[in-house]
Amino acid sequence: DTAVSQTPKYLVTQMGNDKSIKCEQNLGHDTMYWYKQDSKKFLKIMFSYNNKELIINETVPNRFSPKSPDKAHLNLHINSLELGDSAVYFCASSHGTVNTIYFGEGSWLTVV
Amino acid sequence: SQQGEEDPQALSIQEGENATMNCSYKTSINNLQWYRQNSGRGLVHLILIRSNEREKHSGRLRVTLDTSKKSSSLLITASRAADTASYFCATDAKGGSEKLVFGKGTKLTVNP
Repeated sequence: DTAVSQTPKYLVTQMGNDKSIKCEQNLGHDTMYWYKQDSKKFLKIMFSYNNKELIINETVPNRFSPKSPDKAHLNLHINSLELGDSAVYFCASSHGTVNTIYFGEGSWLTVV
Repeated sequence: SQQGEEDPQALSIQEGENATMNCSYKTSINNLQWYRQNSGRGLVHLILIRSNEREKHSGRLRVTLDTSKKSSSLLITASRAADTASYFCATDAKGGSEKLVFGKGTKLTVNP
């Protein structure tokens, strides 16, 4: 019954490694997002896809690369991880843009 | 960039009391939304209020919007310990890129 599911929930990795976070939604939404929440709880949008097309790409290092194989999936790949990448990454989806957003439970990334 | 600012940053009350959280924003909006985030969980949508609405209710929640002051308030009546969470406002700027911008949140603690 999970609406927006993302894996893994916890990820501890060393600096310089490459990692991926996967996301799937079963709500039939056409728009998916990646948000980053820092240690101060500030939530910032990173990317937004509408019908598999990238529509929002905030000022994010190009080490971060989203990939949307279909409307129900939006994965996030991060190359050459840095200490500052430690955060909680939330996948989310909505019907259209700027409507009610449904969030996943988050992926806690710790870079050591 | 447009960003909602919640006030206060933290609020601690006793069960049964009312909790009021405020959100101020900078530019004209199409709508404003409130979300709740329990510790360690994803955000959950609470209520959406459009720019032409002044007040909206949902159960124990009451949201007001004053576009002349660019501010909104979220009132939780008869609070319960289960209301303990962080509460975020999110705005959709009129004429802006199609994205919701979140504030930094108010951490509400309801003591039993």
